Amino acid sequence: QKEVEQDPGPLSVPEGAIVSLNCTYSNSAFQYFMWYRQYSRKGPELLMYTYSSGNKEDGRFTAQVDKSSKYISLFIRDSQPSDSATYLCAIRYNQGGKLIFGQGTELSVKP
Amino acid sequence: DSGVTQTPKHLITATGQRVTLRCSPRSGDLSVYWYQQSLDQGLQFLIQYYNGEERAKGNILERFSAQQFPDLHSELNLSSLELGDSALYFCASSVEFQGDSPLHFGNGTRLTVT
Repeated sequence: QKEVEQDPGPLSVPEGAIVSLNCTYSNSAFQYFMWYRQYSRKGPELLMYTYSSGNKEDGRFTAQVDKSSKYISLFIRDSQPSDSATYLCAIRYNQGGKLIFGQGTELSVKP
Repeated sequence: DSGVTQTPKHLITATGQRVTLRCSPRSGDLSVYWYQQSLDQGLQFLIQYYNGEERAKGNILERFSAQQFPDLHSELNLSSLELGDSALYFCASSVEFQGDSPLHFGNGTRLTVT
């Protein structure tokens, strides 16, 4: 079983839609959760990070963590064509070391 | 711009050869990470350094090695290259080596082995 699972998509939505991206993880020892956005041929760009259960909001983006279910989500409100990219969840143990990435979900927002 | 600089951007080489990828971390970041990204494997962790010392190791092949220098830049050496080593290689940096210190990625080096 992979340590973190993410549906690769692709996911296609119309402009203005609310997008929900999700990951599940297997080990409750994971403490830190991050979301990255990656445009084609570019490096992953940090969107949000959190370590607590609940919601964290930043503009049109909301990260949600449910540690009891080992489930993390990223919501994008009022999606724009410029949001078209691959979104990667990433998790980390408290002791540090590697950041473990999901496979990434390819998102396309159509005008 | 993340502040992490990777050179070169592209590298084309033949099987059996050796290459060196270079990374300069963000100013103030002490930890450097190397990742490999291929279409079928996603982002795979290779190795992490903190202030010159190796801190964590992933599935890095014995043909690959890395180091972090006193000025904190890092190099990833890939030798006896095989076709399957063709991938994007990313460097990332963070302030600390653990906890909620997020990683910031460079734009990668695209390696093509022919």
